[in-house]
Amino acid sequence: AQTVTQSQPEMSVQEAETVTLSCTYDTSESDYYLFWYKQPPSRQMILVIRQEAYKQQNATENRFSVNFQKAAKSFSLKISDSQLGDAAMYFCAYRRAGNNRKLIWGLGTSLAVNP
Amino acid sequence: DAGVIQSPRHEVTEMGQEVTLRCKPISGHDYLFWYRQTMMRGLELLIYFNNNVPIDDSGMPEDRFSAKMPNASFSTLKIQPSEPRDSAVYFCASSLWGEQFFGPGTRLTVL
Repeated sequence: AQTVTQSQPEMSVQEAETVTLSCTYDTSESDYYLFWYKQPPSRQMILVIRQEAYKQQNATENRFSVNFQKAAKSFSLKISDSQLGDAAMYFCAYRRAGNNRKLIWGLGTSLAVNP
Repeated sequence: DAGVIQSPRHEVTEMGQEVTLRCKPISGHDYLFWYRQTMMRGLELLIYFNNNVPIDDSGMPEDRFSAKMPNASFSTLKIQPSEPRDSAVYFCASSLWGEQFFGPGTRLTVL
């Protein structure tokens, strides 16, 4: 069965600094998708970034980028130039390719941004 | 286009009462998901639909929970009778391709 592990329950970063959140997953599939979602105190779940496993290039969205290491089954999120609004819970999620749309979720990392 | 819409945003009820949560997915999306989030158990998938048909309801905790999707623009999650342990935030999400888009959630408190 597929699993997603976020080994850092809590992290903190100084404003304007860079932070990396880790995520590892376990699967025997070769084709799948990976996601990072953000949940601020408003509790709204917001998609931050997605990565297709068949793509070697790491996905980037403005200040957010991933380090996707397929062989190591690692999918870390890097936040550059951290802002106060980045403070939130961050969830890593996995989905098999194909019609099974079920997401497998990590337990989340709580990120604090210090001014 | 509006995002996923959920109602009510907050619900407080007494044990034993029936609770109905509502969701309107993003227009054109063909998948709809119901989640429950608690501090103890994190984010749990309860059920999901494809083209209004339930595909996987293995996450529905027990017979007190039921979900319907009568058409492409509306779904309900019903709890009858409700219990204090059902207190949680319930999310609805919809999807067309890979990623899921979430509604704002309904915070349910069962006294």
